[in-house]
Amino acid sequence: QSALTQPASVSGSPGQSITISCTGTSSDVGRYNYVSWYQQHPGKAPKVMIYDVNNRPSGVSNRFSGSKSGNTASLTISGLQAEDEADYYCTSYRSTSTSSYVFGSGTKVTVL
Amino acid sequence: EVQLVESGGGLVQPGGSLRLSCAASGFTFSSYEMHWVRQAPGEGLEWVSYISTSGSAIYYADSVKGRFTISRDNAKNSLYLQMYSLRAEDTAVYYCATEILTGYCFDSWGQGTLVTVSS
Repeated sequence: QSALTQPASVSGSPGQSITISCTGTSSDVGRYNYVSWYQQHPGKAPKVMIYDVNNRPSGVSNRFSGSKSGNTASLTISGLQAEDEADYYCTSYRSTSTSSYVFGSGTKVTVL
Repeated sequence: EVQLVESGGGLVQPGGSLRLSCAASGFTFSSYEMHWVRQAPGEGLEWVSYISTSGSAIYYADSVKGRFTISRDNAKNSLYLQMYSLRAEDTAVYYCATEILTGYCFDSWGQGTLVTVSS
């Protein structure tokens, strides 16, 4: 089960906007609107930031937004803040011979 | 408040077995699907297994199929992962997670339990 492809690292200055891409296939990202994004700080459990491509859970800043085009999903963080420095993972539901989930390879976001 | 607390991790020799538990509280456990997700040291997240509310539907990642067994006891608000034939590459922090907010999303996570497979 191949992982979704994410850039290894993305960086930006405070106040800037950054976008993290997540590329899958027509069996996962391209077929289903079940893409979610997770933020993970060192030593902590992941936290969901976006679900169903572009929905934010209650309590998550509206600086986080999601989108999808074809087999690629994206997470945009606007107004970058120091606390946004973390690892980010996308995930998608995948249905081939069986149901499963696949995570992205992860992106380290650095606030300069 | 939703709480998931994993336990049962530890050091085990290659080829050995281990049973992880996840105690759930703060929500109606029997109404929600559950997952195990793992993270090897310094690596990314990997989905391991899924179980439906009644346990009638179960799925596994190819990497653990035939070696791991997921189960749940709704009367005890608990989720389990029985692991057999453990390999060095199974070394990871194992998280339980649930889909309370919506389906197809891991919206609540435990703090994780570390499994180390080494001789």
